[in-house]
Amino acid sequence: NAGVTQTPKFQVLKTGQSMTLQCAQDMNHEYMSWYRQDPGMGLRLIHYSVGAGITDQGEVPNGYNVSRSTTEDFPLRLLSAAPSQTSVYFCASARQGRTNSPLHFGNGTRLTVT
Amino acid sequence: SQELEQSPQSLIVQEGKNLTINCTSSKTLYGLYWYKQKYGEGLIFLMMLQKGGEEKSHEKITAKLDEKKQQSSLHITASQPSHAGIYLCGAAPNQAGTALIFGKGTTLSVSS
Repeated sequence: NAGVTQTPKFQVLKTGQSMTLQCAQDMNHEYMSWYRQDPGMGLRLIHYSVGAGITDQGEVPNGYNVSRSTTEDFPLRLLSAAPSQTSVYFCASARQGRTNSPLHFGNGTRLTVT
Repeated sequence: SQELEQSPQSLIVQEGKNLTINCTSSKTLYGLYWYKQKYGEGLIFLMMLQKGGEEKSHEKITAKLDEKKQQSSLHITASQPSHAGIYLCGAAPNQAGTALIFGKGTTLSVSS
């Protein structure tokens, strides 16, 4: 199993550009989520999904869109990139409905917006 | 909203020394997770605690969840350079186990 795969690993955008961060998992996990990690701020939840067709907002959803058309994929879209979105983005997945299922994290996407 | 506070923020210990990292929640926890992160890498799952009073160990790392399920500690015995990194606690704010929140992390450095 590859686990949680994020692409790309690095990305530089100009202000106003749009892009999609990809996340795929091969563990048949129902639950998937996106976090951003900033110095001194820890991990903050952007959006999450408990299954295909179901998404919900986390702590910092503004400027980001998600969709969940399949169990395996959970892409994160930046509509119009801003310098404040410079961060490291992590995708994570887990089995749903079982409290003894930890999150499995991808290796992250480091995004810089100039 | 629920918050997780970790202490200390950073820690430098000499190789071979013991250390403890704490994680305190403002509300009842429905699952407490400890992760380790090396700079520039993803998070590695260490341990999960669910029941008040629960204690788990893996190699030289022991984690405990207090009876009231609002505080957890991570204890490392005889620290080694391989223990260096950022330790994060995460918690489920609801019984469904979704929308996990995380503390800001504790940076551990081990000097040889």
